[in-house]
Amino acid sequence: DMKVTQMPRYLIKRMGENVLLECGQDMSHETMYWYRQDPGLGLQLIYISYDVDSNSEGDIPKGYRVSRKKREHFSLILDSAKTNQTSVYFCASGHAYEQYFGPGTRLTVL
Amino acid sequence: AQKVTQTQTSISVVEKTTVTMDCVYETRDSSYFLFWYKQTASGEIVFLIRQDSYKKENATVGHYSLNFQKPKSSIGLIITATQIEDSAVYFCAMRDTGNYKYVFGAGTRLKVIA
Repeated sequence: DMKVTQMPRYLIKRMGENVLLECGQDMSHETMYWYRQDPGLGLQLIYISYDVDSNSEGDIPKGYRVSRKKREHFSLILDSAKTNQTSVYFCASGHAYEQYFGPGTRLTVL
Repeated sequence: AQKVTQTQTSISVVEKTTVTMDCVYETRDSSYFLFWYKQTASGEIVFLIRQDSYKKENATVGHYSLNFQKPKSSIGLIITATQIEDSAVYFCAMRDTGNYKYVFGAGTRLKVIA
């Protein structure tokens, strides 16, 4: 069963705290993604990973970093979170023609 | 830089009718892929259909089809015989064949009423 998982599903943090969002996939896809979704803006690409330790910035990487040490696992890290990073974060994995999305993480930074 | 624009913020249609959602895109690449995704009320995002830029024939999957007009940089999504469960937000997206980075439009909210 093809699946992308995200943990946690909901998270509340205070400004300045560190945040770790985790994503896993069971499809052995080389490529994985982190997006954020804000009202009226669709999905914006934060980072893309082409495989283990092969990561590339997307359109809005500022304030974020990623880690991929295993093909099935891709993490998004916010060092010293800011209130404008309050959003819904989606992870996806994919092959050439399709992406599979996780259920999303709703992050609130107070 | 690539750009995808969906000008229709929301559409409301009566069940069992046909609806078309618009999408225009900008790219300098000669070869690219165009996609439509659906986001349900629960937040789940699923892939619906894809069009390859080099193909003249419009893609069709189930009751979804595309209206690809390359000279106009347009890729419309057509849903025939709409059902209540088609109510969702629909995103248009693209990527060129040279990399795996996707660009999404802002989405169109479809409401299907009985």
